Formats: sequence, structure tokens, C-alpha cells
Amino acid sequence: DARVTQTPRHKVTEMGQEVTMRCQPILGHNTVFWYRQTMMQGLELLAYFRNRAPLDDSGMPKDRFSAEMPDATLATLKIQPSEPRDSAVYFCASGAGQGWSGELFFGEGSRLTVL
Amino acid sequence: AQSVTQLDSQVPVFEEAPVELRCNYSSSVSVYLFWYVQYPNQGLQLLLKYLSGSTLVKGINGFEAEFNKSQTSFHLRKPSVHISDTAEYFCAVSVRGNNNDMRFGAGTRLTVKP
Repeated sequence: DARVTQTPRHKVTEMGQEVTMRCQPILGHNTVFWYRQTMMQGLELLAYFRNRAPLDDSGMPKDRFSAEMPDATLATLKIQPSEPRDSAVYFCASGAGQGWSGELFFGEGSRLTVL
Repeated sequence: AQSVTQLDSQVPVFEEAPVELRCNYSSSVSVYLFWYVQYPNQGLQLLLKYLSGSTLVKGINGFEAEFNKSQTSFHLRKPSVHISDTAEYFCAVSVRGNNNDMRFGAGTRLTVKP
């Protein structure tokens, strides 16, 4: 059963600490997205990658957020330093790339609470 | 860039009643349209999609949606809802030829009451 796997599922940390969230896309998918979901802003696109290369990260606060794909099976989203306003659920999603119909497969999310 | 507006933030209905969740989009080019559902503490999953062809699209769990190009709408319908349909529903749009840039609406919270 192919699925997108995200870790951790829940994270509580204190302001100023570094937070790293990880995502394993579905095997064979070459497009990976990071979304953030909050009550106030809904689903916001933070960044996306194709074939491990970042195509757009304009949705991310550049001073504290960074996203990478060290290899095809791992995407990371890092926040350093974290702030209370970063509290949200962070979703990773993957898709099949060129010729793909556009369906996204979402992980279950990482719920981040920054105190 | 394309955008999506979901006209209702919350829709309460009684079990076995019909429901329509409204979605309008804005784009200067041709688009693909999607509806996703999110159950509590889960990620989003695809309900249905419109790529081309017939404007009436059928999805999982008895849902269907109709693409109306002249009204730039893609409303989601179900003739008879169940308690288990209680969830958040998201309309999404991506531009043909640029599937990387998918934009989501703010979501509609469907609550089905007994």
C-alpha cells in the first residue's frame, strides 16, 4: 500500500529551537510539495520540488525555513529558529511528475506546536 | 496565477439530505480541477478530478461534480449524505501544463447531523 510517510506526527517544542520534519514520498513520484495548514490561513503552499530540485519556495519565510531533498526518498523541512506563529500542521504531498494528471497524495501531516 | 474560492465555510445538513458544496475558480488559461476530502487528523485524499471530456465527473463515496466553464465553477454534489461524510472538503485547481502549481480553496466544513 503506497503512501506518503511523514515524521514526526506530533512535535512540541519551545520557541527558538530547531525543528526538522521529514517526508518519504511514494516510490517513483518525482514531485514533492510542502503545505502548511492553519485555521486562519488554510492550506498554504510552502515549496515544491521536481526531481529533487526546488522549483518554487516563494511561500516560505526565507529567514527561518529551509526545504531540501537529499535524495529521492527523503524530503526535509527545517525551521530554525522556531516561533509560536509556526504552530500548524505541515503536510507533505507527492505526485508523479511529467504527464501526470495532477493528483496529489498527502501524508498524514506533522502537527507542530511551538510554545 | 490561478485561484479558488469556496463560497461556504460551513455547511450543516441532515443525514440523507442532498448537499452541494460550491467552488469557483479564476484562471486565464485552461485548468484541471479537483476535490479533496480531509477527515479529522488525516491528510487530504482525492475525491474526484476533472481533466477533460465529460463535464460531469463522478468520484468516490457517491460524490460528483460538474465543470461549468462559462461560470468558472466546479460544484460538488451528493444526493444523500451520511454521517460519515462529515469532513473538510477542499476544491483545488492547477494549470494545464503546470501541474506543480496546485492551489487550494479555504475549505468547506460539511457537518452531517442525524
